[in-house]
Amino acid sequence: AQKVTQAQTEISVVEKEDVTLDCVYETRDTTYYLFWYKQPPSGELVFLIRRNSFDEQNEISGRYSWNFQKSTSSFNFTITASQVVDSAVYFCALSEAGRRALTFGSGTRLQVQP
Amino acid sequence: GAGVSQSPSNKVTEKGKDVELRCDPISGHTALYWYRQSLGQGLEFLIYFQGNSAPDKSGLPSDRFSAERTGGSVSTLTIQRTQQEDSAVYLCASSSPTGAKNEQYFGPGTRLTVT
Repeated sequence: AQKVTQAQTEISVVEKEDVTLDCVYETRDTTYYLFWYKQPPSGELVFLIRRNSFDEQNEISGRYSWNFQKSTSSFNFTITASQVVDSAVYFCALSEAGRRALTFGSGTRLQVQP
Repeated sequence: GAGVSQSPSNKVTEKGKDVELRCDPISGHTALYWYRQSLGQGLEFLIYFQGNSAPDKSGLPSDRFSAERTGGSVSTLTIQRTQQEDSAVYLCASSSPTGAKNEQYFGPGTRLTVT
């Protein structure tokens, strides 16, 4: 069975600090997909990134970057030069090739103080 | 284009009553999912529809929960004889036909409160 662990329940940083959100996953499949979603105070889940299990290249999108390491079953998310608007709950999720349902971690609440 | 829409946005019901929650997926998306988000259980999968295939109902917590998808588009999640533990935000998501990527786009949710 698949499992996603986000050990950091809540993180508080000051604006312009860099912050890394950790995600560790478990799956028996060799083909799977990893995701990050953002849930701002408004409540709607916003898709940020998808990564498949065959692509370990790190990805950068503006101030966001993702580090996928199969050797440690981790898919960490870094926000560089954080801003108040980054304040949200961030969820890491996993889906296996044979089962499309997303298994979510418990989320990390990020508070960026001005 | 328009995103996933859900109605109602809020629903308060008395214990024991039935409720129906509606989801309109993104146009052209053939896959539709229901999840719920509650304080105690986090985000959990309920049911998944893909085209004309039999739905994956493996996440439904009890036989009081059911869902249907008419015409391959709109879906309704029905909860019969609601209980207080059913209070949660019910989220709908859809994904495109090139679904191997399984990027799911979520609606704003329906907040259900059972009193």
